[in-house]
Amino acid sequence: QQQVKQSPQSLIVQKGGISIINCAYENTAFDYFPWYQQFPGKGPALLIAIRPDVSEKKEGRFTISFNKSAKQFSLHIMDSQPGDSATYFCAARDSSYKLIFGSGTRLLVRP
Amino acid sequence: EPEVTQTPSHQVTQMGQEVILRCVPISNHLYFYWYRQILGQKVEFLVSFYNNEISEKSEIFDDQFSVERPDGSNFTLKIRSTKLEDSAMYFCASSGTASRETQYFGPGTRLLVL
Repeated sequence: QQQVKQSPQSLIVQKGGISIINCAYENTAFDYFPWYQQFPGKGPALLIAIRPDVSEKKEGRFTISFNKSAKQFSLHIMDSQPGDSATYFCAARDSSYKLIFGSGTRLLVRP
Repeated sequence: EPEVTQTPSHQVTQMGQEVILRCVPISNHLYFYWYRQILGQKVEFLVSFYNNEISEKSEIFDDQFSVERPDGSNFTLKIRSTKLEDSAMYFCASSGTASRETQYFGPGTRLLVL
């Protein structure tokens, strides 16, 4: 019940396209859902986050869609750029404030 | 912009040896965390720390692990007797009181146990 399932494992998108990464969870006590971006050899960097009382949050080219009833949330990257090529992790925060991470999606944006 | 720093960036050790990984959290943060990432796998929670004591620890964080805040700026993770399976990237993270939900991660220490 503490798991966060993430898909796809890898994604290849053409420059200018839309990248979509999906996550699902079971624990309804999760109360905060961040997305982290990780470049090789670096630590995860917070990209965007959402609370479950909001269905969508947009920051620049990045949008989180949240479906509380389905216990799913997704990251959309509009106008994907080669510089967006990285590994993306969804996560969920539990009642003790620790983050439960998804398995990661390796995104490659082709020029 | 304030950031979490970690030292060393890489550490190679022999199985059975003790290692200490060091972190300097963001200066006004009060909540500290260690996570690890085995190569190619997801980031896993190890331990959280607040007010000089462990708040929560995972099943990975057994008696071989300990954490300490020896002074006002450093936060350390000690592995007493390293095993081969401890080889991983170890990340320190911190969060503040006003927005505890945002955890800021350091660049990590890559630990290789031979």
